[in-house]
Amino acid sequence: DAGITQSPRHKVTETGTPVTLRCHQTENHRYMYWYRQDPGHGLRLIHYSYGVKDTDKGEVSDGYSVSRSKTEDFLLTLESATSSQTSVYFCAISVGVVSYNEQFFGPGTRLTVL
Amino acid sequence: GEDVEQSLFLSVREGDSSVINCTYTDSSSTYLYWYKQEPGAGLQLLTYIFSNMDMKQDQRLTVLLNKKDKHLSLRIADTQTGDSAIYFCAERRVNRDDKIIFGKGTRLHILP
Repeated sequence: DAGITQSPRHKVTETGTPVTLRCHQTENHRYMYWYRQDPGHGLRLIHYSYGVKDTDKGEVSDGYSVSRSKTEDFLLTLESATSSQTSVYFCAISVGVVSYNEQFFGPGTRLTVL
Repeated sequence: GEDVEQSLFLSVREGDSSVINCTYTDSSSTYLYWYKQEPGAGLQLLTYIFSNMDMKQDQRLTVLLNKKDKHLSLRIADTQTGDSAIYFCAERRVNRDDKIIFGKGTRLHILP
């Protein structure tokens, strides 16, 4: 599993509340990613990071922000959760040489916004 | 189109071969991947193929690549109940900031 953990694994929250999901890795990989997985949409990239304090948007970044103050932690924040953000969120890291770019995934966080 | 396309479902009898198909979009994609997701788990890389290859075999898995048609397939020989999962095709798009783009996944159901 390349030492990736996500917390919490499950969360139920109410519309309008802030939510932060944490991804933690133990192997100092440079690239980290946040995806959401929804039926009929597969995996969609939210944000990614290519180093400490270096982040960029993915294809579905609206309503989400990220921070990476340490190599090992990549945080995903929903400033004001909406029901459309109910999803399973996966963190991933890239390992191997740059040209290979294999990604390892965390176990996922199931978020329900009521 | 802009999407990596896969059929959503496939049912196969135990012991038969499963063939999961995918069409991708970028002729300059360098790596193409197959990931497996078991229930309640994250994605696990099964295999990958570099774009200058036509075929790659790894035990029960065979990947075929047709660059002209941008078609990728995954064949699982002697399908077993443990192969029941969702299989995602993905491409690494060189001209899209080098991101990996995933298909929507094919759910493989094993019949007894």
